[in-house]
Amino acid sequence: QKEVEQDPGPLSVPEGAIVSLNCTYSNSAFQYFMWYRQYSRKGPELLMYTYSSGNKEDGRFTAQVDKSSKYISLFIRDSQPSDSATYLCAILSGGGADGLTFGKGTHLIIQP
Amino acid sequence: DSGVTQTPKHLITATGQRVTLRCSPRSGDLSVYWYQQSLDQGLQFLIQYYNGEERAKGNILERFSAQQFPDLHSELNLSSLELGDSALYFCASSVSETAYGYTFGSGTRLTVV
Repeated sequence: QKEVEQDPGPLSVPEGAIVSLNCTYSNSAFQYFMWYRQYSRKGPELLMYTYSSGNKEDGRFTAQVDKSSKYISLFIRDSQPSDSATYLCAILSGGGADGLTFGKGTHLIIQP
Repeated sequence: DSGVTQTPKHLITATGQRVTLRCSPRSGDLSVYWYQQSLDQGLQFLIQYYNGEERAKGNILERFSAQQFPDLHSELNLSSLELGDSALYFCASSVSETAYGYTFGSGTRLTVV
């Protein structure tokens, strides 16, 4: 079982829709949770990070963590064509000594 | 521009050869991380340096090595290259030794033929 599982998609939704992106993880030692966005031929860009169960909101983005289920989500409201990208979840253990463990990413397409 | 500079952007080389990838971190950042991204494996952590010293090692092959210099730039050396080493190699940087979010560069695309 991979440490971080993420549906590769593609996920195609119409402009203005609410997007839900998800990851599951297996290691209870993971304590910090991040979402990165990666455009084609670019490096990943940090969108949000959180370390506790619950919701964290930043503009149109909401990150949700459920540690009991080992499940993390990213919601995008009022999606725009410019949101079309690959979204990667990333998780870090408490000590931070092993680098980030990334999911393989979900390719999101927002149709105008 | 993220502030993390990677050179070269593209590299094509033959099997068995050796290459060096270079990374300049954002101004003020002391930690440098190297990641490999391939289609089948996704982003894999290779190694971390903090202020010139190795801090953490991930799935880095023995054929690969890295170092961070006094001016904080870092180099990733890949030797005895194989076709399977073809990938995107990303450098990232952060201020602290234990960071919860990095700033990535745009990567070096390595093609081994």
